[in-house]
Amino acid sequence: AQRVTQPEKLLSVFKGAPVELKCNYSYSGSPELFWYVQYSRQRLQLLLRHISRESIKGFTADLNKGETSFHLKKPFAQEEDSAMYYCALSAWDKLIFGTGTRLQVFP
Amino acid sequence: EAGVAQSPRYKIIEKRQSVAFWCNPISGHATLYWYQQILGQGPKLLIQFQNNGVVDDSQLPKDRFSAERLKGVDSTLKIQPAKLEDSAVYLCASSLQAGSSTDTQYFGPGTRLTVL
Repeated sequence: AQRVTQPEKLLSVFKGAPVELKCNYSYSGSPELFWYVQYSRQRLQLLLRHISRESIKGFTADLNKGETSFHLKKPFAQEEDSAMYYCALSAWDKLIFGTGTRLQVFP
Repeated sequence: EAGVAQSPRYKIIEKRQSVAFWCNPISGHATLYWYQQILGQGPKLLIQFQNNGVVDDSQLPKDRFSAERLKGVDSTLKIQPAKLEDSAVYLCASSLQAGSSTDTQYFGPGTRLTVL
C-alpha cells in the first residue's frame, strides 16, 4: 500500500542550526514526491518537488530510492521557517500526504 | 491572481444535521479536489473532479457525503447527516492541468467543521 511516514510530530531548533525533516515512503512504482508547507494563518502551499531538483527558501530535498526517503534539509534555519511541513507522494493520480512535522525555530 | 475561495470558514452543527461547503477554484483550472484533514493528520483526498466529471471518489463516504461541480467551475461538498467523526478541516484545491496529480495544487483556506 502507498504510504508516507513523517516520524516526527515536532522539531525544535535554534536559529542558525541545521534542519532535517524526515520523510519515508512506501510505493511500488516510480515515485514523485513533494513537500508542502503551511505557515501560521496561511494556506497550504507547495514548497518543492523532487523532480525539479531546486532549492526553495534554502531548502533542498533529495530522493533516495534505496532508503525510500525524501528528507527536507536546510543548513541554517531562520525564524520565518517555523511552520507545518507535509511530505506528499503522487500515487495513482492522487496525492497521499504524511501526518506532518511542525518545525519551531527559536531565536 | 485570485486564489481558491471557500465558504464558510467555520461551521458548527449538531450531529445528524446537514452541512454544505462551497469552493470556487482558480479561474481556468481544470481539476478540483476536496480533502478532509482531521486534527493531527495530513489531508486525505475525498473526491477529485476533472472539469465537471468525477475522476476519483474512492475515499468519499457516499452514504453521507456528496459533491458536485456544476459547469466545471464551482463545487459544493455536502454531508447529510453529519457524525461526530466528521469534525475536520475541509480543504478545496485546484490545479491547472487535467489528469495530472503531479501538477501544482493550490489550496483554499479551508472550512473548519465542528460536529457536536
